[in-house]
Amino acid sequence: AQKITQTQPGMFVQEKEAVTLDCTYDTSDQSYGLFWYKQPSSGEMIFLIYQGSYDEQNATEGRYSLNFQKARKSANLVISASQLGDSAMYFCAMREAIIQGAQKLVFGQGTRLTINP
Amino acid sequence: DSGVTQTPKHLITATGQRVTLRCSPRSGDLSVYWYQQSLDQGLQFLIQYYNGEERAKGNILERFSAQQFPDLHSELNLSSLELGDSALYFCASSVGMDRNTIYFGEGSWLTVV
Repeated sequence: AQKITQTQPGMFVQEKEAVTLDCTYDTSDQSYGLFWYKQPSSGEMIFLIYQGSYDEQNATEGRYSLNFQKARKSANLVISASQLGDSAMYFCAMREAIIQGAQKLVFGQGTRLTINP
Repeated sequence: DSGVTQTPKHLITATGQRVTLRCSPRSGDLSVYWYQQSLDQGLQFLIQYYNGEERAKGNILERFSAQQFPDLHSELNLSSLELGDSALYFCASSVGMDRNTIYFGEGSWLTVV
């Protein structure tokens, strides 16, 4: 079974600093996908970024980038120039094929990020 | 705004009761998923539908059932509710069956008292 590990329960960062949220994964699949989601205190789950296992370039979306190190099985999220609005829970997730034509996301436990002014 | 719409946003009900959570997927998405988020279990996959057909089941209790209608909206029915069913229930959608990005709604907060 696939597993996602986020080892940082909480992180505190000064505004405008860059921050890296760690994520390691375990899978025996050759083809897989990795996601990061943001969950503010309001509860919604916001898609941030996606990395496919065969993608040669690290994914980037605005201030978000994914540091994908396949050999180390890590997919860390990097947020550049952090803002107060980045304070939230962040989840790393991996797509798991259940059967052909079905998928689910396996989530890590999350990292609570707090940006200090 | 992800484009996935869930109602109601908040719901308080008593033990033993039955509730229905409703979801409209993003325009053009054929797959709908239901997830449960609780403090002790984290985020758990419940079930996936694709174009009206059930595709996969996860940790969904027998007291829970879901369906996807011809207009692609979905409903999650929770019956004989217990205190432990209190959680945030997410609907999510994607274009295809698999290998697609999954977008979540804002969730429905269920409190069972």
